This record gives sequence, C-alpha cells and structure tokens, in this order.
Amino acid sequence: AQSVTQLGSHVSVSEGALVLLRCNYSSSVPPYLFWYVQYPNQGLQLLLKYTTGATLVKGINGFEAEFKKSETSFHLTKPSAHMSDAAEYFCAVSVSGSYDKVIFGPGTSLSVIP
Amino acid sequence: GAVVSQHPSWVICKSGTSVKIECRSLDFQATTMFWYRQFPKQSLMLMATSNEGSKATYEQGVEKDKFLINHASLTLSTLTVTSAHPEDSSFYICSAQTGAQPQHFGDGTRLSIL
Repeated sequence: AQSVTQLGSHVSVSEGALVLLRCNYSSSVPPYLFWYVQYPNQGLQLLLKYTTGATLVKGINGFEAEFKKSETSFHLTKPSAHMSDAAEYFCAVSVSGSYDKVIFGPGTSLSVIP
Repeated sequence: GAVVSQHPSWVICKSGTSVKIECRSLDFQATTMFWYRQFPKQSLMLMATSNEGSKATYEQGVEKDKFLINHASLTLSTLTVTSAHPEDSSFYICSAQTGAQPQHFGDGTRLSIL
C-alpha cells in the first residue's frame, strides 16, 4: 500500500524567503511522485513530477523537488516566495509506470506574508 | 496544454433532488476520467474511475447507486448525485487522462444541498 504524509498543515513564509514544503511517502514499489497546487475553489495544477532518472526535478513557477529514496522524501522548494504562491499544495504518489491510482497527501496551506 | 472543463462550477439545490455534473476534455480524448470528492480543508479522495464505454469502478465505501457515473464519449463524463442530502455537500473534482499520461484536473464543482 502507498501513502503520503505532509509535515505541517500550514506553513507561513515572508515574501522573498525560501519555501520548503515537506513530503514523505511510503511505497513498496518504485513510485511516481507529484506536487500539485490548488488555488481557492479551483482544481489541481501539476507543479512537477518525478518518474525516473534525475532525482532533482524542476517544475513551473520556479518550484523544484528532490527525490531522496533513502529518506523516502520528495520535498518541494522555491528560493524566493511570491505573494501569488499562496495556495494549497498536495504531494501525491502513484505506482511507478502508472498515473492512474494517485494517492494524495493531506495538503499544506502556504501563506506568504508581505 | 490539456484543458478539462467542469460544469457547473457551483450548484445549490434542495434536499432530495438529483444533480448532474459534467466533465469535458476540451482538446484531447480522455480514455479515462476520474471523480474525486474534497471536503473543506481536506485532501482529494478518489470516488471512481471510468473508462469510455465501460462501467465505472467505484472505490470502497462509495455508493454506486448514489453517485451515477456515465462516460459515454472520449470527451465527456458525467456524475449524477441522486437524491442529494446535506451530507453530500462537498467539492467534486474530475480529472481526465489519455493513455499513460498524467491526469489533468477540472476546476471543480461546489455542491451545496439545503
């Protein structure tokens, strides 16, 4: 069985500061890993994904995440937060080779303080 | 990029009525569509998976007679909440997928049952 945990249901950062959102996963098989962003009353937008190959993946809006197998982690970072980054962020996992059965984490709400 | 449209975006109706939500893939053919439910401040929970022309596969605990899913074409899936009650009030999100590609999400439908 697969599962995802996100440490911190709410994170606040100052505008221009580093954004770090934590994600740990559990999977008995090699996983695909995803980060999605959700703005209020909207669906999910894919920020980035890890499938195979390079463990540091770059996504949209300046975000990146690093797959660390030994730590079973896939933390999301951005060097400098913008006000527009305030949203809900979901880490997700699926079985390697499949985008079907995606399991979502509980989400982290990011606030950006001016 | 791939666009998924959901309609309506918000619906309010009386208890006991049935509500239909549409999910359309606008610029690609969706071999598979997914329906999720999201309660406030919570993550997405998969309700069912539907493949075009086939019966939907429901997740454990989801009443198939309550949540009717039709996927009659490669660009349209519908979710009908039958005899809706206040506890069915939630945010419903669909996603669409073509082949072995990531899911693309609609903007969701907020359902409020009075």
